[in-house]
Amino acid sequence: TQLLEQSPQFLSIQEGENLTVYCNSSSVFSSLQWYRQEPGEGPVLLVTVVTGGEVKKLKRLTFQFGDARKDSSLHITAAQPGDTGLYLCAGASANDYKLSFGAGTTVTVRA
Amino acid sequence: ETGVTQTPRHLVMGMTNKKSLKCEQHLGHNAMYWYKQSAKKPLELMFVYSLEERVENNSVPSRFSPECPNSSHLFLHLHTLQPEDSALYLCASSRGTGGYEQYFGPGTRLTVT
Repeated sequence: TQLLEQSPQFLSIQEGENLTVYCNSSSVFSSLQWYRQEPGEGPVLLVTVVTGGEVKKLKRLTFQFGDARKDSSLHITAAQPGDTGLYLCAGASANDYKLSFGAGTTVTVRA
Repeated sequence: ETGVTQTPRHLVMGMTNKKSLKCEQHLGHNAMYWYKQSAKKPLELMFVYSLEERVENNSVPSRFSPECPNSSHLFLHLHTLQPEDSALYLCASSRGTGGYEQYFGPGTRLTVT
């Protein structure tokens, strides 16, 4: 199992502020997925990044895949209370049939 | 609509009970998964089925018994559980195993008393 470390573990910010969460590993992944999980629900896929250096934007969310495909970041601009949730990253490897999940970052956006 | 449903959403059971969790996917996927989610820990993969054949049994205690009668349905049979088995149990499906995106159900919150 390839280890994915997410940081910070918890993040609490005021509405309108920006935030960045990180997903790091010593392993190379063929792709990396980001999920958001709201309380009482299962994770929901936000985006998949595949190419080293790739940047994807989803409204106020910007996802970046590291050049070496070992790390990724998620940046939220002007956070809103609806962005509150647990953000999970998951890596896929060419030699493995399952995803490796990080422990997640719990984001709380205060109104 | 999430495409993956789970029942029940909440379950409280004693250590001597037998119960089953049910998962159904309406996405036409070929792979289905059971995960255990505990506080402050990464998702723990328990079982993987691909085309109704089990491809992973990740050292899960025998008190958890999966069943996949067809590619749309997945069950997790529970018996003589321990309090430390209390967690959120998530079902997921994907087009295939490997790097495909996974679609999760809402989970079953299990409490073992």
